[in-house]
Amino acid sequence: TQLLEQSPQFLSIQEGENLTVYCNSSSVFSSLQWYRQEPGEGPVLLVTVVTGGEVKKLKRLTFQFGDARKDSSLHITAAQPGDTGLYLCAGEGTPLDSWGKLQFGAGTQVVVTP
Amino acid sequence: SAVISQKPSRDICQRGTSLTIQCQVDSQVTMMFWYRQQPGQSLTLIATANQGSEATYESGFVIDKFPISRPNLTFSTLTVSNMSPEDSSIYLCSVLSQGNQPQHFGDGTRLSIL
Repeated sequence: TQLLEQSPQFLSIQEGENLTVYCNSSSVFSSLQWYRQEPGEGPVLLVTVVTGGEVKKLKRLTFQFGDARKDSSLHITAAQPGDTGLYLCAGEGTPLDSWGKLQFGAGTQVVVTP
Repeated sequence: SAVISQKPSRDICQRGTSLTIQCQVDSQVTMMFWYRQQPGQSLTLIATANQGSEATYESGFVIDKFPISRPNLTFSTLTVSNMSPEDSSIYLCSVLSQGNQPQHFGDGTRLSIL
């Protein structure tokens, strides 16, 4: 089992502040995905990172995939109340043994107050 | 992306009964998965629903407890059998359209067992 450790578990910040969520593993993933989940809904995909060292930006969100494809981070700049939600990282194993199967981190609950 | 409909969206069931959850996709997909999200926790993969053959279960999950069907490329069911309060969770289906495509989730079925 490829264990994904996500930190912190909970983050409460004021509107306008920055935040970073980390996702770490001792195993290599073929890809890593970040989702946001709001109450009563399923996880919604934010981004997929595939290449070691890759950086992707989605408006105020910046995602990095570690060079060794074992870790990732999500950075939110100038957070807004609409960013509130449960952020989940999920790693996909190597194609031969676990294609499509996602291993999820424990999640980071982010609360942004006005 | 594929539109995924899960039914029911929520239910309250009696101990010892069984419930079948449906997952319908608006287009043909390559792979369908079933996940469980226990209260306050992250997602855990239950099984991969295989079209025309028996599902592939992850460690800790068995067919007798969670029988799965996938009669075609757009539909799958998960049954939670002989329910106990420990089965109270959100059950989510996800789909993968083809290689290198992101995985998308339904909104889940919120199940409470009394």
